[in-house]
Amino acid sequence: AQTVTQSQPEMSVQEAETVTLSCTYDTSESDYYLFWYKQPPSRQMILVIRQEAYKQQNATENRFSVNFQKAAKSFSLKISDSQLGDAAMYFCAYQDNAGNMLTFGGGTRLMVKP
Amino acid sequence: DAGITQSPRHKVTETGTPVTLRCHQTENHRYMYWYRQDPGHGLRLIHYSYGVKDTDKGEVSDGYSVSRSKTEDFLLTLESATSSQTSVYFCAISDLGTFSYEQYFGPGTRLTVT
Repeated sequence: AQTVTQSQPEMSVQEAETVTLSCTYDTSESDYYLFWYKQPPSRQMILVIRQEAYKQQNATENRFSVNFQKAAKSFSLKISDSQLGDAAMYFCAYQDNAGNMLTFGGGTRLMVKP
Repeated sequence: DAGITQSPRHKVTETGTPVTLRCHQTENHRYMYWYRQDPGHGLRLIHYSYGVKDTDKGEVSDGYSVSRSKTEDFLLTLESATSSQTSVYFCAISDLGTFSYEQYFGPGTRLTVT
């Protein structure tokens, strides 16, 4: 079974600075998808960014980008120019090629200091 | 935002009582999922559906059953609630997008079993 590990239970960043959240995963598959979800205090799960394993190019979405290292099975999220609204729980998730389920990491709580 | 609603949003019930949670979507997506969220575990899949009357078990299915009689509705039933089923329950939907089966989540239901 696939496992997803987020080794940083909590992180903090100063407003306007950059922070990187770590995620590692374990799989024997070669084709899969990886996602970062944001969960603010409202509890809503919001899709932030996705990465297809067959793509070498790292995904970017505005201030959010990933560093995908397939051989190392690492998928980190970089948030640039951090804003107060970025404060939330962030979950890394793995999806196999069949697309039937997501396997989530335990989450990282990000605090943004003004 | 994807058209996903969950009802009820909050529920307190006693041990041993049956409970049914409802997920309703207006996106006509084929796949629907039920997850539970507990501290330190991220989200874990309970059951999922890949079509009307087609369902399968997830990682933590014991004590839960599901039904899907219409494309838009996916019901999660706890036949006899236990305190270990106190959790936040999320419904998600997906269908084949441009590259993957991205999942979009409902607002969640907080269930407390006393």
